[in-house]
Formats: sequence, structure tokens, C-alpha cells
Amino acid sequence: AQTVTQSQPEMSVQEAETVTLSCTYDTSESDYYLFWYKQPPSRQMILVIRQEAYKQQNATENRFSVNFQKAAKSFSLKISDSQLGDAAMYFCALGSQGNLIFGKGTKLSVKP
Amino acid sequence: GAVVSQHPSRVICKSGTSVKIECRSLDFQATTMFWYRQFPKQSLMLMATSNEGSKATYEQGVEKDKFLINHASLTLSTLTVTSAHPEDSSFYICSAPVDRYTEAFFGQGTRLTVV
Repeated sequence: AQTVTQSQPEMSVQEAETVTLSCTYDTSESDYYLFWYKQPPSRQMILVIRQEAYKQQNATENRFSVNFQKAAKSFSLKISDSQLGDAAMYFCALGSQGNLIFGKGTKLSVKP
Repeated sequence: GAVVSQHPSRVICKSGTSVKIECRSLDFQATTMFWYRQFPKQSLMLMATSNEGSKATYEQGVEKDKFLINHASLTLSTLTVTSAHPEDSSFYICSAPVDRYTEAFFGQGTRLTVV
């Protein structure tokens, strides 16, 4: 069975600072993808960043980057220069063939 | 990016009635779509996989007769909550991958309230 674990139910960061959200996963698949999704109060799921498991290089998207440790099955998200608009629920997800297994989420608050 | 449209965004129905939720891929063909359920302050739980032209695959614990899924075309999947009860009140979200190598694109979600 595939599992995704987010051990931080809530996190808080000061505006303009950096925060790291943790995620670990377990899978027996060799071909898989990892994602971080953001869910603001509107509840629309928004893709933040995506990492192919076969790629060693960590994905980056502007202020968002990941630390992908395949052997440790760890996939953390770093948000730099945090903005008020970053406040949301963040879900780590493991996927193959489009089907996603989600972690329980981390609620991120950004303090002005 | 790809667009998935889900309707309605909100629906209130009386207990015992049925409600249909539509999920459309607007600019791509989706042979597979996924239906999730999200309770307040919780994560998304996969309910079923909708396959175009064949029967849906349901996750363990999901009642097939209560949550009817139809995927009649390459751009439309529907979820019908039959004989709805208050405990069926939840947020339902559909998603569709463009292909197996991309992320799934999500609909806007449907807030179902059964009174």
C-alpha cells in the first residue's frame, strides 16, 4: 500500500521568511511522482510543484523548492520569502497514472 | 494548463433525494477521472476511479449503489449521490490526468449539504 505522511498539522511563518513543510511517503512502485498541492479557502486544488522520482535534481518553481531524498522517501517543500497569499492548506501527494494519494495536510499561516 | 470544470459548486438537497455532480475536461480527453471526498479540515480521500466506457472502480468502504459513477464520454464523468442522507454532506472533488506522466487537474469541487 502507498502512504503519505505529513507530520506537521500546522505551521506558522513570518512574512518574508522561509518555511519548510515535511512529507514522507512509502511506495513499492518504481515509477511515481510527488506533488505539493495548495488548497486555499476557496478549496480549489492548486499544483505548487512536481517532482519525478527518476530525477535526482530537486524541482524548483520560483519561491518554491523541494528537497527530495529518494532513499529516505522524504519530500519536503521549502517556501522562501513567504507572502500572505501563501497561507493555505498544503497537501503532499504521491501519484502514478494520475491517481493521487494525499497526506493529511499542513495548515500554513503567514504572519504580517 | 488543462482545465477541469465541475458543477454545481454548491448544492443543497433534501434527505432521500438524489444529486448529480458533473466533471468535464474542457480541453483534453480524459479516459480516466477520479472522485474524491473531503470532510472539513481533513484530506482528500479517493472514492472511485471513473473509466470511460467501463465500470468504475470503487475504493474499499465506498458504497457502489449510493455513489453511482458514469463516464459516458471522453470528457464527462458524473457522480450521483442516491438517496442522500445528512452524513453524505461533504465536499466532493473530481480530477483528471492529461496522461499518466502529468499531475491530475482538479475541478472546483462541489459542496453538498443534505438537509
